[in-house]
Parts: sequence; C-alpha cells; structure tokens
Amino acid sequence: GENVEQHPSTLSVQEGDSAVIKCTYSDSASNYFPWYKQELGKRPQLIIDIRSNVGEKKDQRIAVTLNKTAKHFSLHITETQPEDSAVYFCAASRGLDKQGGKLIFGQGTELSVKP
Amino acid sequence: SAVISQKPSRDICQRGTSLTIQCQVDSQVTMMFWYRQQPGQSLTLIATANQGSEATYESGFVIDKFPISRPNLTFSTLTVSNMSPEDSSIYLCSVGMWERGNEQFFGPGTRLTVL
Repeated sequence: GENVEQHPSTLSVQEGDSAVIKCTYSDSASNYFPWYKQELGKRPQLIIDIRSNVGEKKDQRIAVTLNKTAKHFSLHITETQPEDSAVYFCAASRGLDKQGGKLIFGQGTELSVKP
Repeated sequence: SAVISQKPSRDICQRGTSLTIQCQVDSQVTMMFWYRQQPGQSLTLIATANQGSEATYESGFVIDKFPISRPNLTFSTLTVSNMSPEDSSIYLCSVGMWERGNEQFFGPGTRLTVL
C-alpha cells in the first residue's frame, strides 16, 4: 500500500542554522505533497505544499523540493528561530483522482531550535 | 481557509460506551476526512466522509467501530463505538479545499481518554 517515510525523527539545531527534513513516497501516482507544522497540543497547520509539476517552491524562510524520479521531497528551513520548534509532518496525496485526495503522512520530525 | 470546529474538544469515557464527535465547517467543502493521532504519533486516516453515501474506510478501520455520517457539505460526525483504552487518542477532522488545489485543513481535534 501507500507509504511515506520521513527522516530524521528528531532534529536539533542552533538558532540561525538551517534544518532539512526528507521524505520518500511509494505511490508513483502521488501528485500533491504538503508539509504540516504541529505545535504541542495544537492542530496540524499547513505551511507549504508542492505539486508534481513543480520542482521547487519557496516561501520566505521555508522551501520545498521535489524529485519525482526518486520519489523524494524535502523541507528546508533557513535561519531557524526558536518558534520554529515543533513537529513537522510530510504527506503525499493523489489529489483529485478517485482516491479523493486522502493524505498519507510521514512519521513526523520533532525539530528543536536552541537559542 | 475554512473555519473548522469540533465538539467535544475533549472527553473522558468509560470502557464499553460510545462517543460521537462532531465536525462543523463554515462553508461548503468537497471532501471531509477523519484522522486519528495517538500520543506522540503521526496521523492515520480512518475514513473519507462522503456526502450522501457511506464513508470510505481505510484498512484496519470498520464501519461498526467507527460509524460516520455526512448529511451535508458542512457537517460530519464520527462515532467511536464500544470503546476500549486503546481508543484513547486525538481524533481530527479535515476538509479538502479543491478551490485551493487540494489543500487540506484540520479541525482542532477531540482528545479522547477511555478508562
């Protein structure tokens, strides 16, 4: 079945450093790849996403890259700040086809940014 | 994005009882989903709530245990039936915004503890 693998499970960086989280997916029909940030006790918040017709997308300090051939996508956070500390989840979806856009989530990465 | 609410926000229930969780959206949405997030874990899709028809369940989840209703395009319920301590979890609904390219947004979640 569909599967999304996410690494690392925990990541600790110094404030101002960059953080990279990597995911691989198994379903070659996946075409939509969102990233969610979940702070303790709160709901997952969509922070950025990428579609299969794009190789890279950037939004201020956050960027996502996609390699369809390798079935691999990554989240890059530059100039990290303590408020970036949270659990980050990647996900993959087939979008608007018969699967109805259901999301398959990775296992999550707990990011800690030390001041 | 849509405003999504869930009721109750939390509950403590006795083994063998059932709890119905409500999800309300402030606008009509194409798709609604129910996820489970066990403590410290990722999100697992329970089912897709289909408007006017039976929900589509993922492997490992059955209608008798998790009956779902979706009477219209803004409301859905998930019932956790005959509960056991293993059902203790956070249950989240999400909505799919096709107008925004398949973006999904989550409700605040219902924290369920079964004694």
